[in-house]
Amino acid sequence: AQSVTQLDSQVPVFEEAPVELRCNYSSSVSVYLFWYVQYPNQGLQLLLKYLSGSTLVESINGFEAEFNKSQTSFHLRKPSVHISDTAEYFCAVSDSGAGSYQLTFGKGTKLSVIP
Amino acid sequence: DAMVIQNPRYQVTQFGKPVTLSCSQTLNHNVMYWYQQKSSQAPKLLFHYYDKDFNNEADTPDNFQSRRPNTSFCFLDIRSPGLGDAAMYLCATSRGGGTTYEQYFGPGTRLTVT
Repeated sequence: AQSVTQLDSQVPVFEEAPVELRCNYSSSVSVYLFWYVQYPNQGLQLLLKYLSGSTLVESINGFEAEFNKSQTSFHLRKPSVHISDTAEYFCAVSDSGAGSYQLTFGKGTKLSVIP
Repeated sequence: DAMVIQNPRYQVTQFGKPVTLSCSQTLNHNVMYWYQQKSSQAPKLLFHYYDKDFNNEADTPDNFQSRRPNTSFCFLDIRSPGLGDAAMYLCATSRGGGTTYEQYFGPGTRLTVT
């Protein structure tokens, strides 16, 4: 079984400042890792994912996350946030074995960007 | 635009009164999922369909059932809602099986039990 810990339930940050949203996971098997974003009144959307290969993955809107196996972490970072980044961010993990359907989510981190 | 639609967005039901939540998709995806998300908690997978094959998570209560009459629609039935079933219910789809395939989520239905 896997578990995900998002240490910060809320993160306020000023516009154009950098931000890091922390995610740690626990698993006894190899994993895939995901970040989803949920804007107000909308469904979750995939932001980025790590399946294999380079441990640094990037999204099209400037976010990046790095898979650190030794620290079992997958922190999400952005060097300069915009007002439009205000949303809730969910980290998720799944078993990388064939046929695994279950995403295990963290409780989410609400990012508030302050003008 | 191809999308995942959930109706209604808000549902109020009485304790013990059966309720059905609806999900439809225009993505023509093979897999449909139902998640439960209680306040300030992580979304939790209840079950999924791969085409017509139903897969129930081990800890999903018997009170929760699902139907998928065709590719486009999937329903969540709560036979006797309790106060503890108040939550956001999220429907998602994916083109194929397994978590390497991106899941596309609907906006959710918020269920209140009175």
